[in-house]
Amino acid sequence: DTVLTQSPALAVSPGERVTISCRASESVSTLMHWYQQKPGQQPTLLIYLASNLESGVPARFSGSGSGTDFTLTIDPVEADDTATYYCQQSWNDPRTFGGGTKLELK
Amino acid sequence: EVQLVESGGGLVQPGRSLKLSCAASGFTYSNYVMAWVRQAPTKGLEWVASISTGGGNTYYRDSVKGRFTISRDNAKNTLYLQIDSLRSEDTATYYCAKVRSPHYFDYWGQGVMVTVSS
Repeated sequence: DTVLTQSPALAVSPGERVTISCRASESVSTLMHWYQQKPGQQPTLLIYLASNLESGVPARFSGSGSGTDFTLTIDPVEADDTATYYCQQSWNDPRTFGGGTKLELK
Repeated sequence: EVQLVESGGGLVQPGRSLKLSCAASGFTYSNYVMAWVRQAPTKGLEWVASISTGGGNTYYRDSVKGRFTISRDNAKNTLYLQIDSLRSEDTATYYCAKVRSPHYFDYWGQGVMVTVSS
C-alpha cells in the first residue's frame, strides 16, 4: 500500500502562514487530495488533484506538489481552521489516507 | 444540496452481522461511484469499499474482503454495507461518501458508529 506520512501536529497563531506536508512512499503523480475534519464532524474536501481549490473553500487554502511530496498551505490562518487535515492519494490501489495533521491555534 | 444520511449502526457482539444504509439526495445518484470510509476512535481515515455506478463492480480493502459487501439500489438512491463476522477492530464511525473521478471524496455523510463488543 502507498503510505502517506504527515506530521502529527502543528501550532500556529492566527494571521500566520502554515504549511502542512504529506509525503508518499511512492509516486502518486498529482492524484493527491486534502480534507479538513473539525472535531465531531465529517471530513470536507478542500483541495483535489494536488492544487485545485474545491468550490466554496476559502482562497486562503492552497495546495501544491507532485510525485511524492505535497503541501497544503493556509495563509492567513484563522481561528476557525482548528481541525485535523488529511491527505489522500488515488493513484494507487488501495486508496490511502495520511495519518492526519492536527492544527491548533495559539 | 447534496445530502448523505447513514443509518443502521449500533453495539454488536463479535461474530454477528450488521447492515449499514446511506440515503442519498440532491444529486443524480445513479451517475456516481459511491464508497464507504471508516474511522476508528481517535484514529485516521481508512477507505473500506467502493461500488461502480451500476453496482456491477465492487472494490474492497484486503482486510475486509470476504466479510464486507457493498451494494446499492439506484431506484431507492441508497447505498449499503453488509458487515459479517464482526471483529473488535471493525469498531469505527462509518462514513458514506460520494466519489468524484479519479476517486476522491467530494461529499461525506455525518457518519454512523459501529461498536463491536461483548
